[in-house]
Amino acid sequence: NAGVTQTPKFRVLKTGQSMTLLCAQDMNHEYMYWYRQDPGMGLRLIHYSVGEGTTAKGEVPDGYNVSRLKKQNFLLGLESAAPSQTSVYFCASLEGNRQGSTEAFFGQGTRLTVV
Amino acid sequence: RKEVEQDPGPFNVPEGATVAFNCTYSNSASQSFFWYRQDCRKEPKLLMSVYSSGNEDGRFTAQLNRASQYISLLIRDSKLSDSATYLCVVLKTSYDKVIFGPGTSLSVIP
Repeated sequence: NAGVTQTPKFRVLKTGQSMTLLCAQDMNHEYMYWYRQDPGMGLRLIHYSVGEGTTAKGEVPDGYNVSRLKKQNFLLGLESAAPSQTSVYFCASLEGNRQGSTEAFFGQGTRLTVV
Repeated sequence: RKEVEQDPGPFNVPEGATVAFNCTYSNSASQSFFWYRQDCRKEPKLLMSVYSSGNEDGRFTAQLNRASQYISLLIRDSKLSDSATYLCVVLKTSYDKVIFGPGTSLSVIP
């Protein structure tokens, strides 16, 4: 069972570079989320999606864009990376069915450093 | 004010101790509540759901007080393997937002 897979696992970017983080889930979940985790800050929601073709802003969306063209994939883009975006990024998915499980499943994280 | 707040910690306790974590949430429309555990440099994983009637899973007991918008986690007979960060999680009524608290760090000492 792959569950939730994030790529890449590590990346170092220079200020101003762009990149895309990929989150893929094979559980047919409707809801997907991108979080960033910084020391002492917990997980903060960047963007989320409640279904294919839909996205919404979370707590800290500035500097990020997302797309959910396929149900199984949720992409997080950084158009012009800044040192403040150095963080650990986690993707999560949730079934989204009220009769179903409400457990969120996480990817293993992407450690991004912007220099 | 943050939507979900937790005891700041860290908690350093000896093996065998009982430790309690507290969590408060600000949005009364919140529907479901959970405790997740996160080991160092790993992804969070579900520890247990929290029900209004209170629920127990082995050494772990979770309580929910909707009137006070308060959630708790009690760990009895702490083990070294319980050392981790414990995250309080709230799921909104619309099931679209999953909000995490900042986490409370626990270190169980031999």
